[in-house]
Amino acid sequence: QVQLQESGPGLVKPSGTLSLTCDVSGESFLGDQWWSWVRRPPGKGLEWIAEIHHGGTAHYNPTLRTRVTMSVDRANKQVSLSLFSVTAADTALYYCAKHRAFSFEVWGQGTMVTVSS
Amino acid sequence: QSALTQPASASGSPGQSITVSCTGTYSDVGAYNRVTWYQVYPGKAPKLLIYDVDNRPAGISIRFSGSKSANTASLTISGLQTEDEADYFCNSYTTSNTYVFGTGTHVTVL
Repeated sequence: QVQLQESGPGLVKPSGTLSLTCDVSGESFLGDQWWSWVRRPPGKGLEWIAEIHHGGTAHYNPTLRTRVTMSVDRANKQVSLSLFSVTAADTALYYCAKHRAFSFEVWGQGTMVTVSS
Repeated sequence: QSALTQPASASGSPGQSITVSCTGTYSDVGAYNRVTWYQVYPGKAPKLLIYDVDNRPAGISIRFSGSKSANTASLTISGLQTEDEADYFCNSYTTSNTYVFGTGTHVTVL
């Protein structure tokens, strides 16, 4: 059974860069596999951020495309997210998720990131 | 891309059925049968309830069912139970190779 564990800084200063990592366990990390990052700001709904194929192809939310990069490290079985020029609006619970076709089948527990000086 | 439109809230008494709608456009909900539904408890990880409009993953109660007509998808919860009180989000794949979530619906069991 695959398990996902997100990790991150917890607190990021405005205009800084938010960097998150998702560790994947219980999975061979091979094959036709897609991974996504999703976030939920406090009191708000879910927002899809980006997806990446284990081969490296990525797609991004158009509203975040200019500030986000997603990458995959197959050797260490990690999926990463970088969000640049953050503001308070980027404060959220960030989740990574493993796809099953076009659904988000398995989720991590999430990591909370607060943007504040 | 704009979020799919869901009612902010829905409610029902135990044993009743409720339906939550999810309205998009021809570029997302109407484009493919790639609509999913998620149940979210506060501070917890979302749980996949329905995939490809009307399919349940293993272990999901038959009380949850999905459907779609044109640009609107729906989630029906039958035989409402107290543990169904949660937030529910729809999601759709889009013609731009992206995903978009619904605005979310809080379900209250009266």
